Amino acid sequence: DAGVTQSPTHLIKTRGQQVTLRCSPKSGHDTVSWYQQALGQGPQFIFQYYEEEERQRGNFPDRFSGHQFPNYSSELNVNALLLGDSALYLCASSLDPGTVRYEQYFGPGTRLTVT
Amino acid sequence: GENVEQHPSTLSVQEGDSAVIKCTYSDSASNYFPWYKQELGKGPQLIIDIRSNVGEKKDQRIAVTLNKTAKHFSLHITETQPEDSAVYFCAAARYNFNKFYFGSGTKLNVKP
Repeated sequence: DAGVTQSPTHLIKTRGQQVTLRCSPKSGHDTVSWYQQALGQGPQFIFQYYEEEERQRGNFPDRFSGHQFPNYSSELNVNALLLGDSALYLCASSLDPGTVRYEQYFGPGTRLTVT
Repeated sequence: GENVEQHPSTLSVQEGDSAVIKCTYSDSASNYFPWYKQELGKGPQLIIDIRSNVGEKKDQRIAVTLNKTAKHFSLHITETQPEDSAVYFCAAARYNFNKFYFGSGTKLNVKP
C-alpha cells in the first residue's frame, strides 16, 4: 500500500520566481492538506482540498494557491517567492473531514530553498 | 484560533528510562489529539492518537493521557531505546475540520 508521495524532494529557487509542488495521497484517501514547516518549528496549516475544492485555509497570503485533481492528487503553487518561504512543505492525506476517521498521514516533504 | 504549547523543547534520557512530553491547548472545542514522530529528513509519522471521549490510550511502550478539564495531554514512552531519538510533535484538531494545530516539537535524545 503506497503511502503519501511528494515531488520533488528538493528545490532551489530565486526570489520572485514561482514554484509548484506535487502530492499523491495514500491509497483510499480523498482529502489533501498542505503544511509549511520552518526549521525547528512545528508544521503550520496552509490549506486543505476535498472534492477538488479548497475547504479550509490557514493564515497564508494569496501567493499560496493549490489544486486538487480528480484522482485526488494535489499541487501547491507559490508565486513571487520570498526568502521566508524557504521551508519543508508537507502534504498530508486523510479521509473526508466529515467521517469519523481523523488520521492524517504525512509525506516525506519537499525542501524548498529560496535564494 | 487554537494555540498548542509543548514542553520541554529538548529532552535527554538514558536508555531504558521513561520520557514524558506535555502539551496544552486553548480551544475547548478541540477533540482529537495525535502525536507524531519526525526523524531527520523525513515527514512526521503518526505514532498514537487520542480522542476527547477517552482519558488514556496505550500502545506497547507508548501511552497518551488527556485531561479535558485542564486542556492538557501528554505522551509517555517507557523503556526508551536509541531508535526513539527523534523530534516529537503534538497536535490538536476539531472534529470535521481536520485542520491540525501543532506544538513546536520536542527533541528527544536517548543515550545508549
